Amino acid sequence: EDQVTQSPEALRLQEGESSSLNCSYTVSGLRGLFWYRQDPGKGPEFLFTLYSAGEEKEKERLKATLTKKESFLHITAPKPEDSATYLCAVRSSFSGGYNKLIFGAGTRLAVHP
Amino acid sequence: GAGVSQSPSNKVTEKGKDVELRCDPISGHTALYWYRQSLGQGLEFLIYFQGNSAPDKSGLPSDRFSAERTGGSVSTLTIQRTQQEDSAVYLCASSLAGAGNEQFFGPGTRLTVL
Repeated sequence: EDQVTQSPEALRLQEGESSSLNCSYTVSGLRGLFWYRQDPGKGPEFLFTLYSAGEEKEKERLKATLTKKESFLHITAPKPEDSATYLCAVRSSFSGGYNKLIFGAGTRLAVHP
Repeated sequence: GAGVSQSPSNKVTEKGKDVELRCDPISGHTALYWYRQSLGQGLEFLIYFQGNSAPDKSGLPSDRFSAERTGGSVSTLTIQRTQQEDSAVYLCASSLAGAGNEQFFGPGTRLTVL
């Protein structure tokens, strides 16, 4: 069964304190790992797609990396506006799963001045 | 351009009533998805539409749930005889043709069943 587990559930950082969020996955043939950001009361906002182990993508203070079993979202020198819930999702090549994303429960990040 | 829009933003209903939730996808996006987000849970896939193909209904939790997409654009998710466990945020997403493209989400409809 395809599964995504995110850790920690919640993370509190001081402004400028770098850290990483983890996404562990079990999937039948990975066809993409996705990171989204979700602010309270809003829908998820797309950040990155990673397809193969070793791939990395960056956007401002965020960097996403991928291995065969997990992905990390590294946040460098975070600012209060980075506070949000970060969601990880996978798409599998199993015919029943190809059309949908399997999401983890998310990591709630709070960055304090 | 305009993003995915959903209405209503909030819906409060009584147990046993039927509700309809609406989604307007991004213009030109032929793929449309419905997800459900319960408190403290990840997003749960409900249904997927792609063009004129038969929808993928594999995520619908019971036969009280149904969805349609008219004219390849607007979609309506209907929940009949609502139950308290149906309370959640219902999110719609759209993407370009094919399942391999990024999904763009609407703001969601928060459904509360009393």
